[in-house]
Amino acid sequence: LAKTTQPISMDSYEGQEVNITCSHNNIATNDYITWYQQFPSQGPRFIIQGYKTKVTNEVASLFIPADRKSSTLSLPRVSLSDTAVYYCLVGPPNTGFQKLVFGTGTRLLVSP
Amino acid sequence: GAVVSQHPSWVICKSGTSVKIECRSLDFQATTMFWYRQFPKQSLMLMATSNEGSKATYEQGVEKDKFLINHASLTLSTLTVTSAHPEDSSFYICSARPPTSGPSEQYFGPGTRLTVT
Repeated sequence: LAKTTQPISMDSYEGQEVNITCSHNNIATNDYITWYQQFPSQGPRFIIQGYKTKVTNEVASLFIPADRKSSTLSLPRVSLSDTAVYYCLVGPPNTGFQKLVFGTGTRLLVSP
Repeated sequence: GAVVSQHPSWVICKSGTSVKIECRSLDFQATTMFWYRQFPKQSLMLMATSNEGSKATYEQGVEKDKFLINHASLTLSTLTVTSAHPEDSSFYICSARPPTSGPSEQYFGPGTRLTVT
């Protein structure tokens, strides 16, 4: 499983766009990039997943450059409720019930 | 979306006793479930993979005799912490992947806070 590197923490204000970058230099050809969100005392929640270029859903966007050695999770117009820890995971498709390995994550604090 | 539940949400037990935590997939069948442990301000650490109808697969460093896992049905996995000690106090989380979900997309339970006194 590819090792990932994320900033330990980030601060933002309500209404701003937040971009969290994850480095994964050793990503394999068949690896996907997946982001999870975790609120205190709750289990993680799947946010978005992608393989290349750009993926967008109702929650976030995921930007992946051509070399796929990094990815950026973009949260548009954050609110206080977006305060959470965000994990970037890289690994092969879950065809064989692949286990997930979580890194340290990025602790995002959104202030008024 | 798929729902994974855990019971209890929190439990306090005395040192030396055993505690059972249940993980259920409510609207899908899961032949495989995962158990994680998370200490305060730390990331999730995978403990074991629970396989329906067969033995669980434990991660390196996790004592299989202390953390008993049973996956007796396609919707239920249990984790029993035997002879619990204060250092076992942690947040235990399970996850499962619905067959129709995307690659690496798993659904997590709400977690169980275990406090051993």
